[in-house]
Amino acid sequence: GESVGLHLPTLSVQEGDNSIINCAYSNSASDYFIWYKQESGKGPQFIIDIRSNMDKRQGQRVTVLLNKTVKHLSLQIAATQPGDSAVYFCAEILVAGNKLTFGGGTRVLVKP
Amino acid sequence: DAGVTQSPTHLIKTRGQQVTLRCSPISGHKSVSWYQQVLGQGPQFIFQYYEKEERGRGNFPDRFSARQFPNYSSELNVNALLLGDSALYLCASSKGLAGVATQYFGPGTRLTVL
Repeated sequence: GESVGLHLPTLSVQEGDNSIINCAYSNSASDYFIWYKQESGKGPQFIIDIRSNMDKRQGQRVTVLLNKTVKHLSLQIAATQPGDSAVYFCAEILVAGNKLTFGGGTRVLVKP
Repeated sequence: DAGVTQSPTHLIKTRGQQVTLRCSPISGHKSVSWYQQVLGQGPQFIFQYYEKEERGRGNFPDRFSARQFPNYSSELNVNALLLGDSALYLCASSKGLAGVATQYFGPGTRLTVL
């Protein structure tokens, strides 16, 4: 399959450990934020979102934390599995602009 | 239900040629957005269409154009291709406008310009 990102920062994590992926966003006026997962040869897949008036949101094995003071977003994956190996992108949304703006991605490699 | 579909999967063109990429949204979705993803980077927004009208445009030259049909499918056209247009072109659909509705992405069309 196609390689999504050849020069992305990489996080190597042991299977079963927790992963933390970080993202700095640019627009303090953004209304909400989304984390996407992109596997090789596929389009981005929605994982979880969080509104700007929240600081934490939990999903199944994933938690997103939002720190508006420093414009930082993180995605925590609990008990990382081989199927979690992918490139992860954060995206910010300004409702008035009707579009997603993607940040830089992070490649996650899960070691068995 | 089928997800977002795109055609073709891969395409090879030469500089100066024109290309048309196609996208079918998820059934019931009225909005289609197009993105360009260069290797090593996140997708960059090109266009959004909702109910057949353009509702958003990214910072791309006029060589890029798109349209949405009555069945909500969409085409992206790129004229006078440049080497730098080589990328993965992603289509995303949503029930409403991209700012308020979750977008679902297709697998993309890999365009190579020689």
